[in-house]
Amino acid sequence: QKEVEQDPGPLSVPEGAIVSLNCTYSNSAFQYFMWYRQYSRKGPELLMYTYSSGNKEDGRFTAQVDKSSKYISLFIRDSQPSDSATYLCAMNFQGGSEKLVFGKGTKLTVNP
Amino acid sequence: GAGVSQSPSNKVTEKGKDVELRCDPISGHTALYWYRQSLGQGLEFLIYFQGNSAPDKSGLPSDRFSAERTGGSVSTLTIQRTQQEDSAVYLCASRQPPGLAGQELFFGEGSRLTVL
Repeated sequence: QKEVEQDPGPLSVPEGAIVSLNCTYSNSAFQYFMWYRQYSRKGPELLMYTYSSGNKEDGRFTAQVDKSSKYISLFIRDSQPSDSATYLCAMNFQGGSEKLVFGKGTKLTVNP
Repeated sequence: GAGVSQSPSNKVTEKGKDVELRCDPISGHTALYWYRQSLGQGLEFLIYFQGNSAPDKSGLPSDRFSAERTGGSVSTLTIQRTQQEDSAVYLCASRQPPGLAGQELFFGEGSRLTVL
């Protein structure tokens, strides 16, 4: 079993839809959780970062962490064509290796 | 520029040749990472440098891969006797010293390696 599982999609939605992206993980030692967005032929860029269970909101984006279920989500409200990208979840340990473990990424297309 | 710079952006080589990929991190960032991104495989950790500490090489897939970081700044990833399965995008990232501004990694645009 991989440390971090993420459905690679692809996911295609109409403009304005609510998008839900998810990752599960197996190692309960993970403490920091991130979502990166990667446009085609570009490097990933940090979108959201959280270290506690619960929700964190930033504009149209909400990151949700459920440590008891080892499950994290990213919700995108009122999706726009500019949101079309690959979304990667990432996580690492508190006080351990600084290595960041990534999911495979979900490719999202928002159609106008 | 202010971002992470990688060169070359594209490299086509023949099987068996050696290649060197370069990374210029953001000034002042003490941590530097190399990741590999293959089609459908996500980001695979290769190696991590933090200041003067011994690097974490646990992700290097074979002894054909090596990396060094000179003067705590520029890093070079070297792949010897390249194989077709080495074809991928090699991404470099840097981060501020531990304890500052969270865990954000700043990535370069990557070096796309094609081994024929």
